[in-house]
Amino acid sequence: TQLLEQSPQFLSIQEGENLTVYCNSSSVFSSLQWYRQEPGEGPVLLVTVVTGGEVKKLKRLTFQFGDARKDSSLHITAAQPGDTGLYLCAVSGSARQLTFGSGTQLTVLP
Amino acid sequence: DAGITQSPRYKITETGRQVTLMCHQTWSHSYMFWYRQDLGHGLRLIYYSAAADITDKGEVPDGYVVSRSKTENFPLTLESATRSQTSVYFCASTEPYWTGRDSPLHFGNGTRLTVT
Repeated sequence: TQLLEQSPQFLSIQEGENLTVYCNSSSVFSSLQWYRQEPGEGPVLLVTVVTGGEVKKLKRLTFQFGDARKDSSLHITAAQPGDTGLYLCAVSGSARQLTFGSGTQLTVLP
Repeated sequence: DAGITQSPRYKITETGRQVTLMCHQTWSHSYMFWYRQDLGHGLRLIYYSAAADITDKGEVPDGYVVSRSKTENFPLTLESATRSQTSVYFCASTEPYWTGRDSPLHFGNGTRLTVT
């Protein structure tokens, strides 16, 4: 059983549509990070959420940390082809190492 | 330019050969990490290092060896490559302490390794 379960695994949508991806666990975390990875590159940090119930916005992306700090969601409004990529959630361990979910591969079609 | 660089970008090797993947960072970050990325498994931690001469095993260390004689370099060696080690390998680094809410891992662009 993975520490972090991400869903859906794959998502293909048309430009302009809205979408939500999820990151769930049975464990409680002090913080959670979201990364985006584009083909041929390493993951890049989008946001860190720390407080239960916290909502952070990054342009058309809205991130929420669950009240119990066990889950998180990423909502994209009016998706664009530039949003295409692999979205990964991750939590930090004792020695700064991150444990990642398996990711959601998002494709936005023009 | 400041950053984290991995070499080579692509490598094909034969089963049983030794191969070393290089990682170099210019930020003087204390922490460095090696991950492998496979379809269906996401990123899995192989080894990490908190400082020069300090290394520790991650989730999937078998078949790999690391060293860290200098802060900026963290090479990963496959002593006797196997087909199951075909993967994309990512090196990353970060600061030694929580400098703020958005303290990230900085990743290189990966090495795609194929073992035939």
